[in-house]
Amino acid sequence: GQQVMQIPQYQHVQEGEDFTTYCNSSTTLSNIQWYKQRPGGHPVFLIQLVKSGEVKKQKRLTFQFGEAKKNSSLHITATQTTDVGTYFCAGILNPNAGKSTFGDGTTLTVKP
Amino acid sequence: SQTIHQWPATLVQPVGSPLSLECTVEGTSNPNLYWYRQAAGRGLQLLFYSVGIGQISSEVPQNLSASRPQDRQFILSSKKLLLSDSGFYLCAWRTGGTFSGNTIYFGEGSWLTVV
Repeated sequence: GQQVMQIPQYQHVQEGEDFTTYCNSSTTLSNIQWYKQRPGGHPVFLIQLVKSGEVKKQKRLTFQFGEAKKNSSLHITATQTTDVGTYFCAGILNPNAGKSTFGDGTTLTVKP
Repeated sequence: SQTIHQWPATLVQPVGSPLSLECTVEGTSNPNLYWYRQAAGRGLQLLFYSVGIGQISSEVPQNLSASRPQDRQFILSSKKLLLSDSGFYLCAWRTGGTFSGNTIYFGEGSWLTVV
């Protein structure tokens, strides 16, 4: 079945350092979404990428969708303590199938 | 606006006891509904999803079951809990229809500890 792999599993950074998490699919995706889950909370939608090679920015966050639509990345510039949490990608293989496949997430901790 | 309610928020259940987690969505009709499980510090495992009343798709064989008795109600059940059923259960919804590209909205989650 479809698999979505996400690396690294954990990342510890000093406040102000950059952070990147990568998402790779075994199959070509229709689109990909990113979610953030704060400690003790539930996942919250961040963004959706649809087009090959698409790049979107939200303040310090930069999201990329690969040319082959099989990988994606989330990059945070100059991390802050408010960035802590687990970041999930969710790959959508078939837009008519009604479901997404989540990666296992990357948990980010930021040392002040 | 749409809201999703999930309860109970936490529960501690003995092994072999039954389980019922309930989820309702307000402010939308014919949503796609989902149950996910998240083991401590782990990713999201899709358990069940439903695209309509009475339509349940199971992703992982286990001792859990799901039902959708009403359009905006989704229930997760078990007749006999196992220790391995412990985890964080999340109900979620997205705009109805088969298109999967819309945002998934998660409930607050239910922490289940089986003892």
